[in-house]
Amino acid sequence: EAGVAQSPRYKIIEKRQSVAFWCNPISGHATLYWYQQILGQGPKLLIQFQNNGVVDDSQLPKDRFSAERLKGVDSTLKIQPAKLEDSAVYLCASTSAGGEVGDTQYFGPGTRLTVL
Amino acid sequence: GEDVEQSLFLSVREGDSSVINCTYTDSSSTYLYWYKQEPGAGLQLLTYIFSNMDMKQDQRLTVLLNKKDKHLSLRIADTQTGDSAIYFCAESYPGGYQKVTFGIGTKLQVIP
Repeated sequence: EAGVAQSPRYKIIEKRQSVAFWCNPISGHATLYWYQQILGQGPKLLIQFQNNGVVDDSQLPKDRFSAERLKGVDSTLKIQPAKLEDSAVYLCASTSAGGEVGDTQYFGPGTRLTVL
Repeated sequence: GEDVEQSLFLSVREGDSSVINCTYTDSSSTYLYWYKQEPGAGLQLLTYIFSNMDMKQDQRLTVLLNKKDKHLSLRIADTQTGDSAIYFCAESYPGGYQKVTFGIGTKLQVIP
């Protein structure tokens, strides 16, 4: 079974530029998560999708971050415009069922973003 | 609010046992997890324990849960150099869909 795929693996941009990350979850996984992991910290949930609907985006900085999951499969996370403090690894994860308590989250390798 | 705390660093010799500790604050936590993150990689679920359990053993891994003190530990027996990584404690709690809060991670260094 293929794992969660993410691209690009690395991205360097200047502040105020835009950037987009892509995630392809494990086939058939209904629930998809985007996390932000700042260096030296644990992952922080940005947004959670159930199929193509948003379940939780309470910690997503909506003035600059946006995410979509068209057709309930792949997802993109966009930052526009980027700030220095957005430098982090952006992790995508998915679960097979409804994202209910106890469901195992499978993580992708992440996209490391550096904002100069 | 939810908070998960871990020590930052642990160093052990190859072959010894490692014990990584974690404390959490949310008494309504239902599942507690241990994830491993190797350099440049995503998080890998190692094991998890349901909140009504005291202990769970899985090969070299032993998880102990003290719900009264809200303390979780991960013991790795016969630690190997391949166990060198960052270990994250995480909790999930009720509220409909799963919400997971991660600690900051403990970096385990295994000395050959």
